[in-house]
Amino acid sequence: AQKITQTQPGMFVQEKEAVTLDCTYDTSDPSYGLFWYKQPSSGEMIFLIYQGSYDQQNATEGRYSLNFQKARKSANLVISASQLGDSAMYFCAMRGTGTASKLTFGTGTRLQVTL
Amino acid sequence: GAVVSQHPSWVICKSGTSVKIECRSLDFQATTMFWYRQFPKQSLMLMATSNEGSKATYEQGVEKDKFLINHASLTLSTLTVTSAHPEDSSFYICSAGNNRVSDTQYFGPGTRLTVL
Repeated sequence: AQKITQTQPGMFVQEKEAVTLDCTYDTSDPSYGLFWYKQPSSGEMIFLIYQGSYDQQNATEGRYSLNFQKARKSANLVISASQLGDSAMYFCAMRGTGTASKLTFGTGTRLQVTL
Repeated sequence: GAVVSQHPSWVICKSGTSVKIECRSLDFQATTMFWYRQFPKQSLMLMATSNEGSKATYEQGVEKDKFLINHASLTLSTLTVTSAHPEDSSFYICSAGNNRVSDTQYFGPGTRLTVL
């Protein structure tokens, strides 16, 4: 079974500062993928970044980077230069092998960017 | 690219009626579509996985006869909530992916269902 743990129910960050959202996972699959999605108050789920378990380098997408530490089973999301529009719920998710591409989601972290 | 639409974005219906929600992948072929349910301030709960041309696979505890899923083409899946009751009120989100291309699932904007 797969499990995603997000231990931060809420986070505050000042505009223009960097913030790290924690995510740890547990799986017995040898190959898996890790995702981060953003859900603003409108409800849509916006794909941010993906890390494959065999990727040698940490994934980056603009202001988003994924701090992947395989041995520690962690996949933290780092948002640099926070903007007011970054205020939203953030979900970490995992896809394993042989699971028909099913995603397992964490409970989410609500990020609030302040002036 | 990778746009997924849902229709309607919100719906209010009377108890006992059926409601159909459509999920479309607009610019790619979706080999697999997923239906999730989300309660307020909670995470997404996977309801079922549908592959084009085959029967949906439901998660444990999800009533197949209550939540009918059809994946008629590579760009369209529908979720029908039959004989809806107030406890079915929720936010329903679909996602679509093509596992021949990538692992990423792209989500629709969601449908808020309120059953009176």
